[in-house]
Amino acid sequence: RKEVEQDPGPFNVPEGATVAFNCTYSNSASQSFFWYRQDCRKEPKLLMSVYSSGNEDGRFTAQLNRASQYISLLIRDSKLSDSATYLCVVNGGSYIPTFGRGTSLIVHP
Amino acid sequence: DTAVSQTPKYLVTQMGNDKSIKCEQNLGHDTMYWYKQDSKKFLKIMFSYNNKELIINETVPNRFSPKSPDKAHLNLHINSLELGDSAVYFCASSNTGQEDEQYFGPGTRLTVT
Repeated sequence: RKEVEQDPGPFNVPEGATVAFNCTYSNSASQSFFWYRQDCRKEPKLLMSVYSSGNEDGRFTAQLNRASQYISLLIRDSKLSDSATYLCVVNGGSYIPTFGRGTSLIVHP
Repeated sequence: DTAVSQTPKYLVTQMGNDKSIKCEQNLGHDTMYWYKQDSKKFLKIMFSYNNKELIINETVPNRFSPKSPDKAHLNLHINSLELGDSAVYFCASSNTGQEDEQYFGPGTRLTVT
């Protein structure tokens, strides 16, 4: 089983739609979790950290489920500018963060 | 003002050559990383360097050697380049190495012919 797994997509949604991505991880001792966004031919940038209590930033909501070992990202009211690849990152310690392969989102008019 | 910078941005070279990529961060972070992103867009960590301690990813060939002259710099030297080394190489930095977000450089697109 891969350490961090994501559905590669693409998720093709119309503007205004709500879309959710999940990411599963295999290391139960993982300590910190993040969602990054990567635009085509650009570097990854932090979208949000994922806290045990869940957190929300505008249209974006991240959740952590330690029992089932997954994190989720919900995007409400999708914009064209949300089109990108969303990368799940899990830190299990020893300064070796593990990235998922990413989920591609395409928002169309 | 660039937080994490890399040079060069593009690198085209022939098989068998030796090349270096430089990375500098001005964020005062104590941990730096090198990642490789292949043609399938999978971002895989190669090395992390925390307070002069090098954490090596065992799957990285020993043709790749990181060098950190100080906390703000982490360079990557590659010997005897192979076709399979063609990829985008990203440098990143963070504080503490675990809890804090990573800031990435713009990437170096390496093409080996």
